[in-house]
Amino acid sequence: KAGVTQTPRYLIKTRGQQVTLSCSPISGHRSVSWYQQTPGQGLQFLFEYFSETQRNKGNFPGRFSGRQFSNSRSEMNVSTLELGDSALYLCASSWRGDANTGELFFGEGSRLTVL
Amino acid sequence: GENVEQHPSTLSVQEGDSAVIKCTYSDSASNYFPWYKQELGKGPQLIIDIRSNVGEKKDQRIAVTLNKTAKHFSLHITETQPEDSAVYFCAAQTAGNKLTFGGGTRVLVKP
Repeated sequence: KAGVTQTPRYLIKTRGQQVTLSCSPISGHRSVSWYQQTPGQGLQFLFEYFSETQRNKGNFPGRFSGRQFSNSRSEMNVSTLELGDSALYLCASSWRGDANTGELFFGEGSRLTVL
Repeated sequence: GENVEQHPSTLSVQEGDSAVIKCTYSDSASNYFPWYKQELGKGPQLIIDIRSNVGEKKDQRIAVTLNKTAKHFSLHITETQPEDSAVYFCAAQTAGNKLTFGGGTRVLVKP
């Protein structure tokens, strides 16, 4: 069974640019969550999508947005990049439907460097 | 919102010794507490979890304990091995299904 796939794995952007990251969840998983990982802040929750609807949202500015497609694939977008956006962006999928809890399966992440 | 504190941030142990990582949470409505292990260059992976109606859970060399009154939970690794070296994250999930992670503990097992 294929795991969670994130693309691209590495990318470099300059301040002011925008970036789009992609995540393909495990087949059959309908929930996709995004996290930002930085050395100082640990894992910060960005948002969660379930069946193409944003179900939860973290405390990030509006520059961070996402969406989910009918095949459960998800994208996140960061506009007007700032130096502080440099981080590892992790995507996680789960089967979570109506249940409150479920194991998250993480991808290997997309490492974004903003110069 | 929920706040999860994790200690220590780094932990060095001798192979064969035990390792203990502690977390505290702030929201008494949190009801699910997973632990994730992240190896270098990989995404975090669930190693054990516990729900609020259980006080302790064990899986081979790892165990988790939960004290709901004090709002803290701990991960115990016994007979540590070099492959246990990784970053460990605790997390707490509130009734709103949001999972909040602790800051992580880097564990180094010295042979």
